[in-house]
Amino acid sequence: AQSVTQLDSQVPVFEEAPVELRCNYSSSVSVYLFWYVQYPNQGLQLLLKYLSGSTLVESINGFEAEFNKSQTSFHLRKPSVHISDTAEYFCAVSKMNTGFQKLVFGTGTRLLVSP
Amino acid sequence: DADVTQTPRNRITKTGKRIMLECSQTKGHDRMYWYRQDPGLGLRLIYYSFDVKDINKGEISDGYSVSRQAQAKFSLSLESAIPNQTALYFCATSESTGLRRDNEQFFGPGTRLTVL
Repeated sequence: AQSVTQLDSQVPVFEEAPVELRCNYSSSVSVYLFWYVQYPNQGLQLLLKYLSGSTLVESINGFEAEFNKSQTSFHLRKPSVHISDTAEYFCAVSKMNTGFQKLVFGTGTRLLVSP
Repeated sequence: DADVTQTPRNRITKTGKRIMLECSQTKGHDRMYWYRQDPGLGLRLIYYSFDVKDINKGEISDGYSVSRQAQAKFSLSLESAIPNQTALYFCATSESTGLRRDNEQFFGPGTRLTVL
């Protein structure tokens, strides 16, 4: 079975500073990888995903994540954060097999951006 | 209008009461899911459904039941609520795998349930 580890439960950072949210996964087969974001009092929204091809994927609001197969990681980065990026971020994986595969979530990382 | 809606958004109830949480979607997706979110535990799958006649247990189904009344509606029931079922509950949808490979899911806004 797959598992997802987000070691940092909370990451405080100042506005305009860079940030990295770490995600490591465990799986015996290839996986699809996702980052979801949950703003305060809202549901989860897909931020970006890796399916195949280029290992670097980007979102429309400046986040990027790089799939590293050898390190089984999919860390999320942003070079300069805004106050509005304050949210909880969830990494998730599903197996790259035919048929239905469950989405397995990490425990989340709360990003706190202060002025 | 939101693609995935949940009612109620907030609910406070007492131990032993029966509670129903409802989810509706206008995305036309076949697959629907119920998750609960607890601080520090992330999201855990309660039940999922491929269509109105295909319902499956997730990792934490004990104490819960579901009903898929139509393709667009999927409700979650707590038969006899207990305090450790206090959590944030999310409904989600996805297309059939034949159309998408990656099982990307779309979430509702959540229902905050408190059991006293």
